[in-house]
Amino acid sequence: SYEVTQAPSVSVSPGQTASITCSGDKLGNKYVYWYQQKAGQSPVLVIYHNIQRPSGIPERFSGSNSGNTATLTISGTQVLDEADYYCQAWDSSTALFGGGTKLTVL
Amino acid sequence: QVQLMQSGTEVKKPGASVKVSCKASGYTFTAYGFSWVRQAPGQGLEWVGWISAHNGNTNYAQKLQGRVAMTTDTSTNTAYMELRSLKSDDTAVYFCARGVAVADEYYFDFWGQGTLVTVSS
Repeated sequence: SYEVTQAPSVSVSPGQTASITCSGDKLGNKYVYWYQQKAGQSPVLVIYHNIQRPSGIPERFSGSNSGNTATLTISGTQVLDEADYYCQAWDSSTALFGGGTKLTVL
Repeated sequence: QVQLMQSGTEVKKPGASVKVSCKASGYTFTAYGFSWVRQAPGQGLEWVGWISAHNGNTNYAQKLQGRVAMTTDTSTNTAYMELRSLKSDDTAVYFCARGVAVADEYYFDFWGQGTLVTVSS
């Protein structure tokens, strides 16, 4: 069965660029979605269709998807961006989430 | 503004059933669908299934087939998820999420606050 894989954790200093990756076989042929979940809160959609940003999501969030890897990039990372980030794709009519990446900003 | 308001915490015994509701407001209910996503304590997100609020079509995660049922009530703009024959590893926060359909896929642009379901003897 298809799987999408994420590194468990990423650390970044405030103001630097954070890159969170999601891997899967020929993932570049699929749409990837990214969700941010802060502690104790519901997930929030931050990127859809690989690169699109919903209304209200800051411009510092961007996405890409090519080959076997999709990437969520946060430019000028802020302390308030500290959260778990989940990628998601569809395969055989099933929504698949990555295991999540905990972003630490310190 | 779009809001999804879920029902409250549930505590159930193994083998019982639970039905969680998700009342939508702020948009045309039948123009979107709903997915349910669960999160076990300290774990990641797991997709439970999908229902179209337009025509009631459903699509469930294979591992839950036969135990889960999703419905909608267009008179009250409410979506429901029922899970039967509960097991301890069904203990999780269950989220409803509004689904935007694009071809054969959906993405989840608004989420409810979550409902904790605890299964314990």
